[in-house]
Amino acid sequence: QVQLVQSGGSVVQPGRSLRLSCTGSGFTFSVYAIHWVRQAPGMGLEWVAVISFDGSKKNYADSVRGRFTISRDNSKNTVHLDMISLNSEDTALYFCAREEYAASFDSWGPGSQVTVSS
Amino acid sequence: DIQLTQSPSSLSASVGDRVTISCRASQSITNSLNWYQQKPGKAPKLLIFATFTLQSGVPSRFSGSGSGTDLTLTISSLQPEDSATYYCQQGYRTPVTFGQGTRLEIK
Repeated sequence: QVQLVQSGGSVVQPGRSLRLSCTGSGFTFSVYAIHWVRQAPGMGLEWVAVISFDGSKKNYADSVRGRFTISRDNSKNTVHLDMISLNSEDTALYFCAREEYAASFDSWGPGSQVTVSS
Repeated sequence: DIQLTQSPSSLSASVGDRVTISCRASQSITNSLNWYQQKPGKAPKLLIFATFTLQSGVPSRFSGSGSGTDLTLTISSLQPEDSATYYCQQGYRTPVTFGQGTRLEIK
């Protein structure tokens, strides 16, 4: 079955860096765009970044542009989100999600908790 | 960016009730409107995509309607397991945006 498995969540100090990973299985990973969406405690969903199926196109939310980098390795069915200069506003549960028709997200990872705290 | 405003922000209804949640967009998003259900501590679950189309495995009591800037999610006969927060999301234009959510409680 379609599955997205996430890793990399942690507690980090302000200004530090972190990498999140999202590995897909049960489908042809290399034909799907993958997004990251985050949810701060008690808040709604915020889109973070997207990478096209082949990695040639990337886009970011204004709140993370210049600090976060999305990349993918289709040989390993994995997408990464590299985050630098983290601050308290980046504290959230980060989900990866597969894009389907009408830019809907039909499959989601379970979430990786990122807590930025001194 | 396209803003999505959901109403109401929260509601309480009884089992068997018909419930509607509205999503108003700041500009026309044609049919690129999707609906999700999220329960505490869990990833969102896709219910409806492209305004009207029911995602595979989702009960038929869920339906989507509307066009342009005014979209609606309807639950025809509320069940206890429908207690959750519901989000609309537009994929018409980057950046993808979500509504602020509607918390649905079962009386």
